[in-house]
Parts: sequence; C-alpha cells; structure tokens
Amino acid sequence: GQQVMQIPQYQHVQEGEDFTTYCNSSTTLSNIQWYKQRPGGHPVFLIQLVKSGEVKKQKRLTFQFGEAKKNSSLHITATQTTDVGTYFCAGRGFGNEKLTFGTGTRLTIIP
Amino acid sequence: DAGVTQSPTHLIKTRGQQVTLRCSPISGHKSVSWYQQVLGQGPQFIFQYYEKEERGRGNFPDRFSARQFPNYSSELNVNALLLGDSALYLCASSRPTGANYGYTFGSGTRLTVV
Repeated sequence: GQQVMQIPQYQHVQEGEDFTTYCNSSTTLSNIQWYKQRPGGHPVFLIQLVKSGEVKKQKRLTFQFGEAKKNSSLHITATQTTDVGTYFCAGRGFGNEKLTFGTGTRLTIIP
Repeated sequence: DAGVTQSPTHLIKTRGQQVTLRCSPISGHKSVSWYQQVLGQGPQFIFQYYEKEERGRGNFPDRFSARQFPNYSSELNVNALLLGDSALYLCASSRPTGANYGYTFGSGTRLTVV
C-alpha cells in the first residue's frame, strides 16, 4: 500500500532560524496536503498542492510539490515560537479517496 | 458555524468491551473520515463515508466498523477492545469526496483501554 515518509522526525531550532521538512511517497500522488498539529491538539489544514512542480507561499511558509508528484517540502523562514508543533504531509492517490498521512516532523523552538 | 464535533472527548474502557464514538461534520460537509492516532505517530486511516456509503477502508481488523446517518453524522464502533486500541480517534469532514478539499478535524476522542 501507499506509504508516506517524512524527514526529519524531530527538529530543534533556535528562534529565528529556518526549518524544512521533507515528504516522500512510495507512489505518485494526485495531490498532497499539509497539516499542523499543536501539542495536545488536532491536525489543522494548511494547504493543498495539485500540480507538478507547484510552489505556494503562506507568509513565512513555502510549500513545494515535486515534478514527479512523489515528494513535497515545507520550508519555514525565521521560525517563531508559534510555529511549534508537528507538521504532517498527507497524500492522495489517483482514483483513491483515502488521504494517507506521513510520519510527521516535530518542530521545537529554542527561545 | 460549528466545527466538527466529536463525543465523548475522553473514554476509559476495559479490554474486551465495546465502544461507540460519535462525530458530527460541519454543516454542508457530506464526507466523514475516521483516523486513529497513536501517541507520537501520524493519523492512520480507518474509514471514509460519503452519502452513507463506505468509500474507503484502511488496514484495520473487522472489530472496527462505522456508519453514516442521513444527517451525515457518523459513528465508529470498536468491539472486543485491546490494549493496543488506546489512541486518539479523529473524525474529519470535507466537502464532496473526490475533489481537492482539505479536511477539517474534530478535537478527537481519547480512548484508553485498561
């Protein structure tokens, strides 16, 4: 079955440093979504990427979808304490309703 | 508008018991998905329902079952509970399935099996 892996599993950064998490799928995806889960909370939808090579920005967050539609990345510029949480990518295959979540990257910020 | 509501928020059950978890989607959302999230891991897909029909099932044993009602609310049932069923159970709703919509998650039901 479809598997979605993320690296790194954990990332500790000083406040103000940049952060990147990478997502890789075992199969080609029709689209990929990103979610953020704060400690003790539930996943919150951030964005969806559909097109090969697509890049989208939300303030300090930049999301990319790979040319082969099998990988994606999330980059945060100048992290802030509010960025703390676990970031999940979630991919959907073709003709498949199921959204498969990645293993997640837990971001902690050192003030 | 109310978000996705789940009940109960917390639950403690004994091994071998049965549990029913409930979910009410956002008004206008016809698709409901259930996920299991074990501490420190990503959500694992259990079921998806759309218009009362099962549209997807994850790799979970037959002890897990679900249904969707005419008002689009949903229930997840787990029989013969095992210690390993202890997890956060998340319900997510979305607009018509098959389209490119993000999921809105409820706050989840924290199930502890002792």
